[in-house]
Amino acid sequence: DIQMTQSPSSLSASVGDRVTITCRASQGISNSLAWYQQKPGKAPKLLLYAASSLESGVPSRFSGSGSGTDYTLTISNLQPEDFAAYWCQQYYSTPLTFGGGTKVEIK
Amino acid sequence: QITLKESGPTLVKPTQTLTLTCTFSGFSLSTNGAGVGWIRQPPGKALEWLALIYWDDVKRYSPSLKSRLTITKDTSKNLVVLTMTNMDPVDTATYYCVHRAATALIDYWGQGTLVTVSS
Repeated sequence: DIQMTQSPSSLSASVGDRVTITCRASQGISNSLAWYQQKPGKAPKLLLYAASSLESGVPSRFSGSGSGTDYTLTISNLQPEDFAAYWCQQYYSTPLTFGGGTKVEIK
Repeated sequence: QITLKESGPTLVKPTQTLTLTCTFSGFSLSTNGAGVGWIRQPPGKALEWLALIYWDDVKRYSPSLKSRLTITKDTSKNLVVLTMTNMDPVDTATYYCVHRAATALIDYWGQGTLVTVSS
């Protein structure tokens, strides 16, 4: 199984800040990495796929980068609606695996 | 557009079998590369992938739960069924039905259904 280690588990930030979340895979996943945003009581929403491709309709302040085993989600100019939980997930192979999540809170 | 919706019991007793149905629209599970899967999330905890069924009826299961899970599809009715045997309180979670694209990406999620296991 491919283990996904996501950090930090939580962070506090202010509106307008730049936020970075990282995800490390236990082996190379060839950019088969997705990022999801989840708000309380809602299903996760796809933000980025293939490590850096922005899903249609997602604001451009969200960006992704990385390769091999290390990946990053960056939110530039944090907005009030961005306070949520974020999850990385590898789809390189089954079993599909998720990171432990990052909760972005208001400072 | 693609939509998925989960249905099933909200409360099951320990040792019982859970049966969840995913009804979907906007795609066909006979399309090459398509798949439907299940992911769960205990309250306040992380997401956990459970199972996938592909257009060609290949099935994949979480290794830790494989002995308890069965996934089937009815392509003509656009539905997928997940059964989980021997339910335990630790299985209390929101269960999501998801669409797997031909690229293997999970791109669409159902709204989820909360299943509580309690006597």
